[in-house]
Amino acid sequence: GIQVEQSPPDLILQEGANSTLRCNFSDSVNNLQWFHQNPWGQLINLFYIPSGTKQNGRLSATTVATERYSLLYISSSQTTDSGVYFCAVNFGNEKLTFGTGTRLTIIP
Amino acid sequence: DTEVTQTPKHLVMGMTNKKSLKCEQHMGHRAMYWYKQKAKKPPELMFVYSYEKLSINESVPSRFSPECPNSSLLNLHLHALQPEDSALYLCASSLRTGGGTSGLSYEQYFGPGTRLTVT
Repeated sequence: GIQVEQSPPDLILQEGANSTLRCNFSDSVNNLQWFHQNPWGQLINLFYIPSGTKQNGRLSATTVATERYSLLYISSSQTTDSGVYFCAVNFGNEKLTFGTGTRLTIIP
Repeated sequence: DTEVTQTPKHLVMGMTNKKSLKCEQHMGHRAMYWYKQKAKKPPELMFVYSYEKLSINESVPSRFSPECPNSSLLNLHLHALQPEDSALYLCASSLRTGGGTSGLSYEQYFGPGTRLTVT
């Protein structure tokens, strides 16, 4: 069946460190989004990136659709970056399928 | 403005109660969604509305009853829930639903959620 896997499941870093989060998906996609879920549950849109590379401040993302993966880069981590990061994929229907998530903890 | 609002933020209800969750957006989006998220799990799709018509029901039990009275508003009516229904309920919207032969897809925007506890 359709699968969206993220790695690593958990990541603990010192403030100021850089990190790379990975999202693998099992089929070709129409849409891929990256979200940050803060401790209060709010899903914050980071990137809408079905292919290519985008940057927004300390965050950037790359999706290689032909190889079925996407990467989220976070540079110079801050404690406010803590939370769960989800990728979510649309496989050409009306549904958004969420990945398994990466829980990021930034230690001061 | 990319804001989706949800009320209430928190809800505690008994198994015999009837309550409703409300979601609103004023972005002109014509697709709206309900998701359910259990602790330490990703959100799971429950319902999709397209142009105020129910498009997808992911085999959700009938004790959850969605309603889309107009293009800006989405409700989720709750009745006779079970303790295992306790979860974060998230609403989302997008310009359209996408899919089909067009191959188009649209960015979804989420509300802050309603944290539901069933006692």
